[in-house]
Amino acid sequence: DAGVTQSPTHLIKTRGQQVTLRCSPKSGHDTVSWYQQALGQGPQFIFQYYEEEERQRGNFPDRFSGHQFPNYSSELNVNALLLGDSALYLCASSLGNSGNTIYFGEGSWLTVV
Amino acid sequence: TQLLEQSPQFLSIQEGENLTVYCNSSSVFSSLQWYRQEPGEGPVLLVTVVTGGEVKKLKRLTFQFGDARKDSSLHITAAQPGDTGLYLCAGEGTDSSYKLIFGSGTRLLVRP
Repeated sequence: DAGVTQSPTHLIKTRGQQVTLRCSPKSGHDTVSWYQQALGQGPQFIFQYYEEEERQRGNFPDRFSGHQFPNYSSELNVNALLLGDSALYLCASSLGNSGNTIYFGEGSWLTVV
Repeated sequence: TQLLEQSPQFLSIQEGENLTVYCNSSSVFSSLQWYRQEPGEGPVLLVTVVTGGEVKKLKRLTFQFGDARKDSSLHITAAQPGDTGLYLCAGEGTDSSYKLIFGSGTRLLVRP
């Protein structure tokens, strides 16, 4: 049973570019959340998708957008990249509502130069 | 805004020593979770505490949730080099929020 898988694992982008990160949730999970973890910090909640809709959003600008597909996989898009967007982007999956165990992927390391 | 503060930020100890990591907030949380994260990997859940005053044990790790559900602690007995990593506490808010609020983490190094 595969856990949460993310791609790519590492990537380097230039300021102003756009990036798409992908996530496949753990089998049977229907909820996907995205977190940003800057170096030396704890993860910060970006948003959560459930039933293909954005259910909740953290304090991130509109440059951060996402999508959830019918098979529950998800994408995180970041436009107009800034140097400060360099971070580990974590995808987490769970089943249904809050209170269920959350499983994290290994993350996608984004470096903006 | 709910915040979680962890202390200490860094801890370097000798194998066999005991340690305690603290996670504090001025806000009430419906539950609190502890994660361990190793370099290049995502956080892995260690335990979830839900009831005020609850104590859970996981081998040499003891987790406690404060009576008022505003703070928690992680105590490691006889630390081993394999315990090295980043320990994160995360709270689930009482406002039916779906997000986890993470502390900034405690980086633990256990020297052989």
